[in-house]
Amino acid sequence: DAGVTQSPTHLIKTRGQQVTLRCSPKSGHDTVSWYQQALGQGPQFIFQYYEEEERQRGNFPDRFSGHQFPNYSSELNVNALLLGDSALYLCASSWGQANEKLFFGSGTQLSVL
Amino acid sequence: AQSVTQLGSHVSVSEGALVLLRCNYSSSVPPYLFWYVQYPNQGLQLLLKYTTGATLVKGINGFEAEFKKSETSFHLTKPSAHMSDAAEYFCAVSEGAGGTSYGKLTFGQGTILTVHP
Repeated sequence: DAGVTQSPTHLIKTRGQQVTLRCSPKSGHDTVSWYQQALGQGPQFIFQYYEEEERQRGNFPDRFSGHQFPNYSSELNVNALLLGDSALYLCASSWGQANEKLFFGSGTQLSVL
Repeated sequence: AQSVTQLGSHVSVSEGALVLLRCNYSSSVPPYLFWYVQYPNQGLQLLLKYTTGATLVKGINGFEAEFKKSETSFHLTKPSAHMSDAAEYFCAVSEGAGGTSYGKLTFGQGTILTVHP
């Protein structure tokens, strides 16, 4: 049983560019949440997708957007990249919107130069 | 709004010694509380959680934590440290089921645990 898979594992972009990160949830899960983990910090909640809609959103600008597909996989898009967007982006999946047992992927390390 | 404070960004113990990682939270509603562990270049793994009921919760790898409402604390302990416990540990809080931000976890800054032989 595959867990949460994220792609790519590493990515290098330059300021102003756009990036798309991808996540496939654990089998049987239908909810995907995205977190940003800056170096030396705890993860910060970006948003959560359930039934192909954004259900909750953290304190992130509109440059951060997402999508959930009918197969429950999800994408995180970041436009107009800033140096400060450099971080580990973690995807977590769960069944329903319950957070009692989130399964996290290994993340995508994004570097913005 | 909810917040988490982890006291001590780095904790160092000897193998076989007690592990104590401190976490205090702030929440205006009854919280759900979690401890996660993160090994280098990996995602987060759930160690244990408190939702309702018994305030002393046991998790994987011999860890346990006690929810103390009066102290707004949820400290993580392990009686005897192993070398394999070396990792970064995160405390997190969320609203309980039915809360408006139920699906969102708020994490602390993390505590790096070093275990010396």
